[in-house]
Amino acid sequence: KAGVTQTPRYLIKTRGQQVTLSCSPISGHRSVSWYQQTPGQGLQFLFEYFSETQRNKGNFPGRFSGRQFSNSRSEMNVSTLELGDSALYLCASSLESTNEKLFFGSGTQLSVL
Amino acid sequence: DQQVKQNSPSLSVQEGRISILNCDYTNSMFDYFLWYKKYPAEGPTFLISISSIKDKNEDGRFTVFLNKSAKHLSLHIVPSQPGDSAVYFCAASGMMRSQGNLIFGKGTKLSVKP
Repeated sequence: KAGVTQTPRYLIKTRGQQVTLSCSPISGHRSVSWYQQTPGQGLQFLFEYFSETQRNKGNFPGRFSGRQFSNSRSEMNVSTLELGDSALYLCASSLESTNEKLFFGSGTQLSVL
Repeated sequence: DQQVKQNSPSLSVQEGRISILNCDYTNSMFDYFLWYKKYPAEGPTFLISISSIKDKNEDGRFTVFLNKSAKHLSLHIVPSQPGDSAVYFCAASGMMRSQGNLIFGKGTKLSVKP
């Protein structure tokens, strides 16, 4: 069974631009969540989608948004990029909308210059 | 304010010895705890979990201990192997097992020396 796939692996953008990250969950998994990892802050929850509906949202500004498609694939968008948005963005999938065991992708490393 | 704290950013252990990674939490409503392991350039992978109704859970070389009164949990790896070198994240959840209810610590980097 293929794991969680995130594209692209690396991304370099400049301040003010926007970016879209993609995540394909494990086949059959209906929940997709997004996390931001920075060296000083660990993993911080962004949002979760389940069956195309946003279930939970973390404490991030409205510049961070996402969506989920009918095939459970998810995209995350960040608009008006800031230097502080530089981070590893991780996507995790699970069968149901629980946090008991998440399967993470390898992440997208975003650098904002 | 950090609800889940991993106070040691790094730990170095000799191969074959025991590795003990510690995690403290402040929220007494947490009742489910997990450990994830992360290698460079890979996403975290689930390692082991424990519910608050238990004080110990074992899986092969990995054992997690929970001390509810001290709000402390620890992960023991015995014996440690070079392949265990990774960043270990502790995470805690309340009774609502929703994604947004999962709080991660900042991680401890374990280095196992041959």
